[in-house]
Amino acid sequence: EAGVAQSPRYKIIEKRQSVAFWCNPISGHATLYWYQQILGQGPKLLIQFQNNGVVDDSQLPKDRFSAERLKGVDSTLKIQPAKLEDSAVYLCASSVRGRDTIYEQYFGPGTRLTVT
Amino acid sequence: GNSVTQMEGPVTLSEEAFLTINCTYTATGYPSLFWYVQYPGEGLQLLLKATKADDKGSNKGFEATYRKETTSFHLEKGSVQVSDSAVYFCALSPRYSTLTFGKGTMLLVSP
Repeated sequence: EAGVAQSPRYKIIEKRQSVAFWCNPISGHATLYWYQQILGQGPKLLIQFQNNGVVDDSQLPKDRFSAERLKGVDSTLKIQPAKLEDSAVYLCASSVRGRDTIYEQYFGPGTRLTVT
Repeated sequence: GNSVTQMEGPVTLSEEAFLTINCTYTATGYPSLFWYVQYPGEGLQLLLKATKADDKGSNKGFEATYRKETTSFHLEKGSVQVSDSAVYFCALSPRYSTLTFGKGTMLLVSP
């Protein structure tokens, strides 16, 4: 089966500009996640969707970040305006409930954002 | 809150050496524990998992045992290969909840 798709793979922008990332999860996966991975750190959850509803966005900087998952399939994460500290890899993951209630997550290749 | 602490890298080994990457965690309740691997230029892949105390997860020659008494989930492999060079992330997930990752440990294996 096809994996999680993300685009673009790389993006360079200047501070105060806007940027958007796109994610298409594995077919049939109801749960979708966006993570931010700063160089040298582990991924940090930004937002989790269940179908097209938000489950957890407690760590999303809502003054500049927004995300949507219309129709409960693909998703877009936007940053407006970008800051230097937003330079990171943005990972999308999707999951389906497995055995023992464990939500096994499958990750896309990520989008590497550089803000100059 | 939940947190994961991993040993700092890079870990540098020769091919066929024994590997241990330490991981300890802090969590309420009884979380599931995971090891993810990230090869250069690729996304994270689940390597192995354990869902309850004393469970041993294993895959591709890697093993880790869920130790509740020491709150640890150390990753081991008896004989590493050059192709194992990657960044390894320990993570935990309470039931129905999201993943909390450690900072990652880079492994470099030389021929």
